[in-house]
Order: sequence, then structure tokens, then C-alpha cells
Amino acid sequence: EVQLVESGGGLVQPGRSLKLSCAASGFTFSNYYMAWVRQAPKKGLEWVATISTSGSRTYYPDSVKGRFTISRDNAKSSLYLQMNSLKSEDTATYYCARRRRNTYDYWGQGVMVTVSS
Amino acid sequence: DIQMTQSPSSLSVSLGDNVTFTCEASENIYGFLAWYQQKLGKAPKLLIYGATNLEDGVPTRFSGSGSWTNYSLTISSLEPEDIATYYCQNNHVYPLTFGSGTKLEIK
Repeated sequence: EVQLVESGGGLVQPGRSLKLSCAASGFTFSNYYMAWVRQAPKKGLEWVATISTSGSRTYYPDSVKGRFTISRDNAKSSLYLQMNSLKSEDTATYYCARRRRNTYDYWGQGVMVTVSS
Repeated sequence: DIQMTQSPSSLSVSLGDNVTFTCEASENIYGFLAWYQQKLGKAPKLLIYGATNLEDGVPTRFSGSGSWTNYSLTISSLEPEDIATYYCQNNHVYPLTFGSGTKLEIK
């Protein structure tokens, strides 16, 4: 059974950093692109980052480019999101997702990040 | 960036209804369109990929159609477990933009 379990969320002050983790199991992690997608409270979905199977290619929307870094450790079947210079508008539930055919076929349960002073 | 416009934003429905809602892309996305269902407090679930292909395990009352810039999702004979918010997603080009969602509510 495919499982994606996020961790590392919490309350953080504006301008500070936070690193999210996603532990994957039930599939060959190194064979799949992976992504982070977020959802602000009572809002829609926003794609945040994607990483290739080897980690050599990464993609970001302009809203987080230069502040967020996606990475992976295939030996540990783990995905990460380093978030720097956090802003109040980054407050959201962050989902780890497996990419297949440019869609996201499995999602984690999500982890909440609150940016507030 | 490709903008994805969903309509309506909410829809009052009755169980057993046939329901259709739409998604319009700001430019041709060549059928690279996915639909997701999100129930309250849960992660999204993939329903349809490639505009018309049903994901494994998704009931056949769900169907997708469309091409170029205009796409739709139809639920035939609405069941109670279908009450959710539905999102479309451009997966043709980065950034992979989502629509703002259509929320189904019971009349």
C-alpha cells in the first residue's frame, strides 16, 4: 500500500525557516517524480514544487522560487521541502504527492504550517 | 501562466442527480487535464487523468470529457459520498495550475 506521511509543520515567525519531510513507503520511491502542493485555509490547491527521480531537476512557481527548495533522499525514500524567508501567505496545509503522468495519484494526509508573529 | 477557470463555484444538488461542471483553460492544454475530488478535511484524490481516463478504483459514474481549452466532469446519479469539492488541474505545462474548485452541496 502506497503511503506518504508528512511531518515537520508548526508555527513559525515571518522571515524564519522550516523544513518539511515526507516519508514514502509501498512503492519504489526512486522511480517517481515527487511534488509538494499546498492549500491555504478555506482556499484552493496550489502546486509548490516538483523534483525529478534523481533530484537533478526541480521546478517551482514564481510565488516560492528562490525561497523554497525541494530535495529527496532516495536511499531513505524521503522527500523534503526547505522553506526560507517565510511569509504569512505561506500559511497552508502542505501535501506531499507522487507524480504520475503529470498528475498526482497519491497524496499524504498533509501537514499544517502557520506563519505568524 | 495558464489560468484554469471552474464553474460554477458551488452547486446545490440532490442525490440521484446527474451533475456536470466545467473547467476552462486560458490556452490549449491538449487534453492534459486532471480532476481531483477533495472531501472536507481530507487530501485530494485523483479521479480523471488525460481529460477522459478514469483512475483505477474510481466508480464509473464519474466521467470526463473535453479538449483544447474546455473540459467537463460529469457524475451520473449522485451518491452521498460524492459530496465534495472538485478541482481541475492543468498538467500540460509548468506551473501546474489548479482551478478554484466547484463545491457540491446537498439541496
